[in-house]
Amino acid sequence: GAVVSQHPSRVICKSGTSVKIECRSLDFQATTMFWYRQFPKQSLMLMATSNEGSKATYEQGVEKDKFLINHASLTLSTLTVTSAHPEDSSFYICSAREQAATNEKLFFGSGTQLSVL
Amino acid sequence: AQSVAQPEDQVNVAEGNPLTVKCTYSVSGNPYLFWYVQYPNRGLQFLLKYITGDNLVKGSYGFEAEFNKSQTSFHLKKPSALVSDSALYFCAVRDRRGFKTIFGAGTRLFVKA
Repeated sequence: GAVVSQHPSRVICKSGTSVKIECRSLDFQATTMFWYRQFPKQSLMLMATSNEGSKATYEQGVEKDKFLINHASLTLSTLTVTSAHPEDSSFYICSAREQAATNEKLFFGSGTQLSVL
Repeated sequence: AQSVAQPEDQVNVAEGNPLTVKCTYSVSGNPYLFWYVQYPNRGLQFLLKYITGDNLVKGSYGFEAEFNKSQTSFHLKKPSALVSDSALYFCAVRDRRGFKTIFGAGTRLFVKA
């Protein structure tokens, strides 16, 4: 099946620094990628929808200047958490939708655990 | 607005017994319905989906789910639970007109040997 690679799996950073998370579709082209945030024992919260070659669409309440999303190619989307603060600590998961797919399911990366000190 | 409800935070079942994880949804029209499973510190894995056709859909690892339009439910079931089924299960819906998938809060399944 289709594989989505997310890197890094875990990152610890100091408050005020920026962290970049990569999401790659390894064996398919992803027209659309989604970024989710998950708090402990809670569901996935959709942060933004990323379309290749265009600006990301952010969900209400998500700061676009803080969570920068770039989807420069059909196989790569990046999420940069700028000027990270401890409250940004969370589990971030990307997912991808295959271009022209008819099965409609999403393929998920393995997630990135971000800890901001 | 679209929403997904998983009324149980946790489901406990003995190994070998049948299991049911409940899901109800509120979406206009005829949505796509999904179940995903998440193991600790991992991304979600697709289990099964309902798009159209038979109300009973079969998925990975022996799981199945029954779509009930009148009750707007999509409960996940398995005839005989395994300890290895212990994980966090998410029900999800997607409006056929859009791309966004909305997830329920998740239900933790604990299968005791």
